[in-house]
Amino acid sequence: DTGVSQNPRHKITKRGQNVTFRCDPISEHNRLYWYRQTLGQGPEFLTYFQNEAQLEKSRLLSDRFSAERPKGSFSTLEIQRTEQGDSAMYLCASSPKGQGAADYGYTFGSGTRLTVV
Amino acid sequence: AQSVTQLGSHVSVSEGALVLLRCNYSSSVPPYLFWYVQYPNQGLQLLLKYTSAATLVKGINGFEAEFKKSETSFHLTKPSAHMSDAAEYFCAVIISGGYNKLIFGAGTRLAVHP
Repeated sequence: DTGVSQNPRHKITKRGQNVTFRCDPISEHNRLYWYRQTLGQGPEFLTYFQNEAQLEKSRLLSDRFSAERPKGSFSTLEIQRTEQGDSAMYLCASSPKGQGAADYGYTFGSGTRLTVV
Repeated sequence: AQSVTQLGSHVSVSEGALVLLRCNYSSSVPPYLFWYVQYPNQGLQLLLKYTSAATLVKGINGFEAEFKKSETSFHLTKPSAHMSDAAEYFCAVIISGGYNKLIFGAGTRLAVHP
């Protein structure tokens, strides 16, 4: 197991374009989280999956954002019609189910840095 | 609502000096507390966690933190700073009843100078 993997590491896109990021969690973790981190700030929660079910979405996740986790394995985060304000680091994390999440914490990927020009 | 506040967005210490990064939490129930470290252009790495088993928690890289309920604090310390400790440090709390959602503080950037 190589931890949480995120691709791509960097993405530069023009305003108005759509982008998609991928996250591969630790295989035995059924919980998957997406966070957004802007410069000088702590990560902010975006959304949470338990297996394939998306159980919680932040108000930060506007209708231009969509996340999926088909078959409860990898997840994708898509941003449509990107805006300059979407420029940030997008972090994915996974954790075991049940109390394990609180006892274990999360394992984070290295993130995808998005720059919208 | 549970939250954490990190006091001091920037801390600068000399190599070999004590490192003290402050974190206060707000929680109506016993919290789960975490410290993460982030190096430039990297994800977050777990340093240590408090899960009520012991108030003094030892983590990786020589860091430790003490949970003080009376002060609602979970400050991170290291007796002797090393140049490689320069990074951003985040305190975080688990939101109970919220699918174990981690809520982060704003972070403290640690600089270590010779």
